[in-house]
Amino acid sequence: EDQVTQSPEALRLQEGESSSLNCSYTVSGLRGLFWYRQDPGKGPEFLFTLYSAGEEKEKERLKATLTKKESFLHITAPKPEDSATYLCAVQPLYNFNKFYFGSGTKLNVKP
Amino acid sequence: ETGVTQTPRHLVMGMTNKKSLKCEQHLGHNAMYWYKQSAKKPLELMFVYSLEERVENNSVPSRFSPECPNSSHLFLHLHTLQPEDSALYLCASSQERSTEAFFGQGTRLTVV
Repeated sequence: EDQVTQSPEALRLQEGESSSLNCSYTVSGLRGLFWYRQDPGKGPEFLFTLYSAGEEKEKERLKATLTKKESFLHITAPKPEDSATYLCAVQPLYNFNKFYFGSGTKLNVKP
Repeated sequence: ETGVTQTPRHLVMGMTNKKSLKCEQHLGHNAMYWYKQSAKKPLELMFVYSLEERVENNSVPSRFSPECPNSSHLFLHLHTLQPEDSALYLCASSQERSTEAFFGQGTRLTVV
């Protein structure tokens, strides 16, 4: 069964304290893995797409990496404005209509 | 207007009401989606439209009825909803179904 598991559910960091969020997935052939950021009461905001193991993408303090079983979102020296829920989704090769989302990691960065 | 716009942002309706959610995308995309987001649960894909044709219906109850009159507009018609249908309803669009989707701000629906 195709599924996505994100951990931890919630993460509290001090400003400047680097950490990583995990997205483990099981899918019958991966077309793409997507990372989104979601602020309270708003729609998800697209961050990255990763297509193959070994691929990395960076944007400001965020860096996403991909292996055959999981993806990590590394946050370097986070700031309070990085506080949000981070969502991971996978799209299988066999059906481009399907996007399986994880439950998200709620990140809180304290000043 | 840019991106994906949803109206209304908030909606309270009784179980016997009929209402519609509207979504408009200004990105030139050709695929549109409806998602449901409930508290503590992953986003659930409800419907997918590609080139104005419905290509996916994930076992959604018939009290939800989508409509896609053209590639820029998507509606979700609601009737005789249940309290458990209260959630954030998100519209998204993409250029072909194989690429990343861009989301609107959502409609917060409360069924009383």
